[in-house]
Amino acid sequence: GESVGLHLPTLSVQEGDNSIINCAYSNSASDYFIWYKQESGKGPQFIIDIRSNMDKRQGQRVTVLLNKTVKHLSLQIAATQPGDSAVYFCAERTQTGANNLFFGTGTRLTVIP
Amino acid sequence: DADVTQTPRNRITKTGKRIMLECSQTKGHDRMYWYRQDPGLGLRLIYYSFDVKDINKGEISDGYSVSRQAQAKFSLSLESAIPNQTALYFCATSDSRAEKLFFGSGTQLSVL
Repeated sequence: GESVGLHLPTLSVQEGDNSIINCAYSNSASDYFIWYKQESGKGPQFIIDIRSNMDKRQGQRVTVLLNKTVKHLSLQIAATQPGDSAVYFCAERTQTGANNLFFGTGTRLTVIP
Repeated sequence: DADVTQTPRNRITKTGKRIMLECSQTKGHDRMYWYRQDPGLGLRLIYYSFDVKDINKGEISDGYSVSRQAQAKFSLSLESAIPNQTALYFCATSDSRAEKLFFGSGTQLSVL
């Protein structure tokens, strides 16, 4: 299967600081990447996505960076708020077979007030 | 109202019992998926369906079966539940580009 991993399983940040969540992927054929946020007791919710022909994409307070050279993906959250506390998953899609998404194991972000 | 609805939200059952988890969606998507989530293992794909007549196994289909009763309904069955099937189960949908997935709220299943 795919190897989509995270460098750190947990991350604690002070409210107002910026957060960076990292993700490594192993398949150079992956053409699409996506970040999800999962709050306790809820299903994963879409945050932001990026295609392999891009290096950076920005959303509201979030930025995704893609470094294809080292197969690395990161999610940056600006001015982290208590409501950002959750588990964050990255996922990749490889252009083979059914084009399904393969998910990483997740990073738990805790925002300290 | 939720776009992807899973029932039940919680279920406790005994080893050997047959159970069904149900999923319905109002997004009009053709593609539907069942995932399993275990602590430390992320989300793993059990089965997926691209339309009513198309059912495909995912990476961990053993011990599970599915039925796509209609475009909007996709159910997951455990024919004879075993304790290691205790997990959080998610249904998801996507459009034909199979990019962004929309998830339900999950079903927490415990097999005793």
